[in-house]
Amino acid sequence: GAVVSQHPSWVICKSGTSVKIECRSLDFQATTMFWYRQFPKQSLMLMATSNEGSKATYEQGVEKDKFLINHASLTLSTLTVTSAHPEDSSFYICSAPKDRSTIYEQYFGPGTRLTVT
Amino acid sequence: AQKITQTQPGMFVQEKEAVTLDCTYDTSDPSYGLFWYKQPSSGEMIFLIYQGSYDQQNATEGRYSLNFQKARKSANLVISASQLGDSAMYFCAMREVQTGANNLFFGTGTRLTVIP
Repeated sequence: GAVVSQHPSWVICKSGTSVKIECRSLDFQATTMFWYRQFPKQSLMLMATSNEGSKATYEQGVEKDKFLINHASLTLSTLTVTSAHPEDSSFYICSAPKDRSTIYEQYFGPGTRLTVT
Repeated sequence: AQKITQTQPGMFVQEKEAVTLDCTYDTSDPSYGLFWYKQPSSGEMIFLIYQGSYDQQNATEGRYSLNFQKARKSANLVISASQLGDSAMYFCAMREVQTGANNLFFGTGTRLTVIP
């Protein structure tokens, strides 16, 4: 079946540094990918929609200059957390719908746990 | 207003018993999809079951069934014959088709604990 991978699975970084998280669709092309953030014991909140070949669409309250999204190919989207702070520590999950016409074919990556010290 | 509401932060069930996890939703979109995902402690989101708004019958997938009551806007998940491995967080989610956004709106989740 379709698989979405994320790298790294976990990362620890110092405050002020930047971290890049990759999301790859392994056996299908994804013109759209979604980035979610999940704080401990909370639900998944959509951060942004990554669109191949165009700018990402950010949800209200998400700083586009802080969370840089690049969707340079049909199989790869990256999320860069710039000048990370401890409050950015969270679980970041990407997902990709396999086919826009298929209502439920959406696949999630395994997530990336970010800890900012 | 919340699009997805899960009112049970935690549930306990005896092994081999059935359990119902509640989910209500709010949308004005006539076409939508409802999903249930399981999230074990590892963090991965595991798709369990899907119900389309125009589906006439309740969805079933093995031990999982979705009790879809459209007029009440509820989509409860029923897990039959609970197993210890069912202990996890369970999220109800919805996609609104006509917006074309494709993203999912998630509820706050229910932590299910299966007791041996």
